[in-house]
Amino acid sequence: DTVLTQSPALAVSPGERVTISCKASESVSTRMHWYQQKPGQQPKLLIYKASNLASGVPARFSGSGSGTDFTLTIDPVEADDTATYFCQQSWNGPPWTFGGGTKLELK
Amino acid sequence: EVQLVESGGGLVQPGRSLKLSCLASGFTFSNYGMNWIRQAPGKGLEWVASISSSSSYIYYADTVKGRFTISRDNAKNTLYLQMTSLRSEDTALYYCARVRTTGHYFDYWGQGVMVTVSS
Repeated sequence: DTVLTQSPALAVSPGERVTISCKASESVSTRMHWYQQKPGQQPKLLIYKASNLASGVPARFSGSGSGTDFTLTIDPVEADDTATYFCQQSWNGPPWTFGGGTKLELK
Repeated sequence: EVQLVESGGGLVQPGRSLKLSCLASGFTFSNYGMNWIRQAPGKGLEWVASISSSSSYIYYADTVKGRFTISRDNAKNTLYLQMTSLRSEDTALYYCARVRTTGHYFDYWGQGVMVTVSS
């Protein structure tokens, strides 16, 4: 199975630029997707196929990467962005695997 | 508006069975593949099962293979997950999610239904 590794947590100040990384144990081409999960809510699709912004998602969010290294960028960060962010790959599957999540906190 | 509403969760003893349902609305259900994804309390996301639009292709995570069965009724716009031989490690919030087959990503999620396996 393809293992996706994310840093557990980040803390940034509003207005700053933040990058959240996801590293795959093997190439996933550009089949990497990002989700935002706020406390008590279901996940929400942010970015699909590495760099495509999902419908209704603010342009402050962007994604990049290919192969094994991917990045979700939020610029500028707003207070409402406090959430856990998950990456998910769909190149090697099933199983379609998720990263462990990065919890973003605002200072 | 796309809506996915799960039901059927609850407290169940180890070894027993439970059937989850997911009622879809706001889109042509029969045109989309669907998945179940779960999240143990305080943990990350785990893909559980996938079913194509016409039920031709069905896949399971190794952790549930042989115990869980995914199915759908396109006439009723409903997705199901039959869970048998439940274990404590199956305790989780179960989400149904619509999948975009062009990239197998999940563009809409239900609010989730809690399954607790405990004696």
